[in-house]
Amino acid sequence: SQTIHQWPATLVQPVGSPLSLECTVEGTSNPNLYWYRQAAGRGLQLLFYSVGIGQISSEVPQNLSASRPQDRQFILSSKKLLLSDSGFYLCAWSVRGRSQGAYEQYFGPGTRLTVT
Amino acid sequence: SQKIEQNSEALNIQEGKTATLTCNYTNYSPAYLQWYRQDPGRGPVFLLLIRENEKEKRKERLKVTFDTTLKQSLFHITASQPADSATYLCALNSGYALNFGKGTSLLVTP
Repeated sequence: SQTIHQWPATLVQPVGSPLSLECTVEGTSNPNLYWYRQAAGRGLQLLFYSVGIGQISSEVPQNLSASRPQDRQFILSSKKLLLSDSGFYLCAWSVRGRSQGAYEQYFGPGTRLTVT
Repeated sequence: SQKIEQNSEALNIQEGKTATLTCNYTNYSPAYLQWYRQDPGRGPVFLLLIRENEKEKRKERLKVTFDTTLKQSLFHITASQPADSATYLCALNSGYALNFGKGTSLLVTP
């Protein structure tokens, strides 16, 4: 069966510090991978998605970046965190196919980030 | 611009009743619509997917309808239980991405 891991589960970082969140998927190959952020009282905001190694698409301009160094590894990074980066970060995967909306997404447990 | 609207007010119902949640969308022509459940502090969990040529889909106590003319989906939970209390999100595809509504909170009281 497929599983998706995220770490750390919680993180408290000062403004201006760097960030690295990691997501790995097991039990599937060639998945599409996604990073979302959910701020308090707000909906899920898609940040990045990837359809393959080294292929990253950004949905929202910001001080965050993403990388996919391996097929089942997705990393979210920042060089300098802002207060507005606080939120609940979720990684997800889906089957890769021609009709993307036809496939459900499977979410990880999330990382609660607080920037102080 | 594309919008997905779900009732922001929490829905409170009594155990055993049917809960009905609404998802309206504008400026989309989705081929698929999905519903997810999210518990506090957890990631969303997929529940149901319905295609544009399907009017209705059922899974156990769950039923989803999809009206592409009204641009609306209804999500029903029959014989609701306190364990059904959660936030329910609808999502539409846009290219490779899924765009989510903000969700509706459901509280089922005994």
